Amino acid sequence: AQSVTQPDIHITVSEGASLELRCNYSYGATPYLFWYVQSPGQGLQLLLKYFSGDTLVQGIKGFEAEFTRSQSSFNLRKPSVHWSDAAEYFCAVGPGGFQKLVFGTGTRLLVSP
Amino acid sequence: GAGVSQSPRYKVTKRGQDVALRCDPISGHVSLYWYRQALGQGPEFLTYFNYEAQQDKSGLPNDRFSAERPEGSISTLTIQRTEQRDSAMYRCASSLGGARAPLHFGNGTRLTVT
Repeated sequence: AQSVTQPDIHITVSEGASLELRCNYSYGATPYLFWYVQSPGQGLQLLLKYFSGDTLVQGIKGFEAEFTRSQSSFNLRKPSVHWSDAAEYFCAVGPGGFQKLVFGTGTRLLVSP
Repeated sequence: GAGVSQSPRYKVTKRGQDVALRCDPISGHVSLYWYRQALGQGPEFLTYFNYEAQQDKSGLPNDRFSAERPEGSISTLTIQRTEQRDSAMYRCASSLGGARAPLHFGNGTRLTVT
């Protein structure tokens, strides 16, 4: 069965500093991979997705993620964090694309002044 | 335009009661999904529809849970004889259909069973 591990429950980053959120997946074939963000009281918003091709994908709000097959990872990065980035971030794998996503447990990002 | 709308926003019910949660998808969206998110966890797939047809209900935890989408638009998730372990955020999402169509999530219904 597919699974997603986000090893960091909480991360605190200073505003303006760089960010990397880790995600590891377990799946027998090349999966479809996603990152979503959830702000308090809001629905989940898609940041970026990987289906195939270039392993470095660009998303919205200045985020990017890199698919590394050898490490079964899909880590999310941002060069300079803004206070508005404080939210919960979920990595997900979708064996059938967007259908029937399997989510990780999330990483809560706190941004300090 | 309007996004995915879920109602009620909050629902508190007593153990043993039935509840119905409603999802109004984005107009024109073919596919509709239900997910459940327990506190401190990521969303967990429950079921999804293409038009009015339920394509996959493998994530429904047991036979107390059911979902319908009779006219291919609004969907209702029903939980019968609620139990405290059913307390969670229930999220609905819709899409244009197909594996590569992004999901648009609603704000969810927070269900609390006392």
